[in-house]
Amino acid sequence: SQQGEEDPQALSIQEGENATMNCSYKTSINNLQWYRQNSGRGLVHLILIRSNEREKHSGRLRVTLDTSKKSSSLLITASRAADTASYFCATDAGSSYKLIFGSGTRLLVRP
Amino acid sequence: DAGVIQSPRHEVTEMGQEVTLRCKPISGHDYLFWYRQTMMRGLELLIYFNNNVPIDDSGMPEDRFSAKMPNASFSTLKIQPSEPRDSAVYFCASSRSTGRSYEQYFGPGTRLTVT
Repeated sequence: SQQGEEDPQALSIQEGENATMNCSYKTSINNLQWYRQNSGRGLVHLILIRSNEREKHSGRLRVTLDTSKKSSSLLITASRAADTASYFCATDAGSSYKLIFGSGTRLLVRP
Repeated sequence: DAGVIQSPRHEVTEMGQEVTLRCKPISGHDYLFWYRQTMMRGLELLIYFNNNVPIDDSGMPEDRFSAKMPNASFSTLKIQPSEPRDSAVYFCASSRSTGRSYEQYFGPGTRLTVT
């Protein structure tokens, strides 16, 4: 069964707008990661946030983690058409090396 | 670095045939993962290895699936006999245990179609 569930399932925004995706999970974690998948390609790691961290930034990406609510959010600021992709959260399950992926959010950024 | 290499990129086979998918992880990575992605079930972890040893195969759907890692630079996922419900994209990923990054590097995937 999936550990993480993303919300929304799909998101369509205009270039330049911000995109926010949410992830909820069920059991306690050590780390949470976000990945991007372009159509027809493999997943690419974006960012990792540890369970003792609340917020992390990387370029235009901002990730938050609320372990009390078992939820995380990914914010992409000033979106570009090239950000069009599916975004997945992944939580560890027993081992920090074993990841369970959520169902993903499909993001469409309209030029 | 060439990244994770998978072959073939596309495979079309008939039900009942044996299918072998291949993966070459990134040099120096000691973890290797096999995933399956479908619209219905999303991205599922099938099995993963550490230092060529299978650690967790609880995601392998049934005995028709088997995976091996004879050395640090090669792994195979075999389906015998294949069934139409095995149609999916199969990804291989690798990771290294040093540095606590836990980041996984994915290959381009093998799209399997079983008719």
